[in-house]
Amino acid sequence: NAGVMQNPRHLVRRRGQEARLRCSPMKGHSHVYWYRQLPEEGLKFMVYLQKENIIDESGMPKERFSAEFPKEGPSILRIQQVVRGDSAAYFCASSPPASPYEQYFGPGTRLTVT
Amino acid sequence: DAKTTQPTSMDCAEGRAANLPCNHSTISGNEYVYWYRQIHSQGPQYIIHGLKNNETNEMASLIITEDRKSSTLILPHATLRDTAVYYCIVRVPRGDKIIFGKGTRLHILP
Repeated sequence: NAGVMQNPRHLVRRRGQEARLRCSPMKGHSHVYWYRQLPEEGLKFMVYLQKENIIDESGMPKERFSAEFPKEGPSILRIQQVVRGDSAAYFCASSPPASPYEQYFGPGTRLTVT
Repeated sequence: DAKTTQPTSMDCAEGRAANLPCNHSTISGNEYVYWYRQIHSQGPQYIIHGLKNNETNEMASLIITEDRKSSTLILPHATLRDTAVYYCIVRVPRGDKIIFGKGTRLHILP
């Protein structure tokens, strides 16, 4: 059973461009969480999704950021009009429906905005 | 979720047991103690969790005091690959965000 997969692992965008980060949860997992880690800082929760539903987006910036987890395919974290302050590592975690508190993390996507 | 207090950093000699303390004096009855670690540039990794009994798995042991106000994570034979930031988290086991604190930066010394 493959672990949580994220791609790309590294993403470079110029200011003003869009960034799309993908997360494929572990097989059978229907819950996805996104976290952000700014340089030299701790992990901060962003959003919690179940298939086709956003459960908790209390950690999402109000503008430019959106997330989805469609019925088919990976979860997508989308950042529009990126700014330098968006440079960070973005981690996705997934959990199974029977035990939604068990979060398994992916390797992360490192976004660099130039 | 209850707050936790951990030392900022610790050193441990390779091959020795690493004992990482955590205070969680405001823990409530239905909250579990979870430990995760983050090796540099990697995603967090689950280590172990417990409610009130001591727990052991292939990675570590978790010792929780009788009053549940503190706990200790024990890595019995630390290796260089155990160098990481270790997070102690108390939370109710439900589908919900994990609130990570600053953790303890553990350095394993050769």
